[in-house]
Amino acid sequence: DSGVTQTPKHLITATGQRVTLRCSPRSGDLSVYWYQQSLDQGLQFLIQYYNGEERAKGNILERFSAQQFPDLHSELNLSSLELGDSALYFCASSEPPGRLNTEAFFGQGTRLTVV
Amino acid sequence: AQKVTQAQTEISVVEKEDVTLDCVYETRDTTYYLFWYKQPPSGELVFLIRRNSFDEQNEISGRYSWNFQKSTSSFNFTITASQVVDSAVYFCALQTGANNLFFGTGTRLTVIP
Repeated sequence: DSGVTQTPKHLITATGQRVTLRCSPRSGDLSVYWYQQSLDQGLQFLIQYYNGEERAKGNILERFSAQQFPDLHSELNLSSLELGDSALYFCASSEPPGRLNTEAFFGQGTRLTVV
Repeated sequence: AQKVTQAQTEISVVEKEDVTLDCVYETRDTTYYLFWYKQPPSGELVFLIRRNSFDEQNEISGRYSWNFQKSTSSFNFTITASQVVDSAVYFCALQTGANNLFFGTGTRLTVIP
């Protein structure tokens, strides 16, 4: 168990809808990352938050947004969903207070299916 | 630009054989980290190892060993005496100053009993 919790584990929704994926990082970790794993694109970095602030942005679509709350949990919002958004979405956390650039531990992922 | 290449898409071995998974990386940064993650059929990503660019010492952990060679920009992973439970997709990844991970496309290892 990595200590990173993602909910829900599975999500099936229709095109055009909006969903929210939730991530609770390992206790105390300040950084949260979101990654997307799809068959055609592989594992791709979407966005990183550090202690509530956006720190880095990757290949995240404008229809997607994220935030990190004061209790350090994070949410990834996906809107106007398309079939191609079907993927496994991972959250990872790292960097406990006082330690930078530590290894990232991943949650079990949320499998999103858009029909 | 950062890039990680795992040329082996799929490998099959018979149980108890040794197997090496290749990883070649590209980066212009002088400080970076290299990782291996395991993704078993259940889907989660399991952290295996992290090495920094200044530490080329090879590492052994049980049946796992890693060979880091900066001269060839490679960070290969060997499993000795493979077991069925080693069947998974293995990802090599690179982390630079930007902190996020650049993943290779993964190598699917199947260990046949």
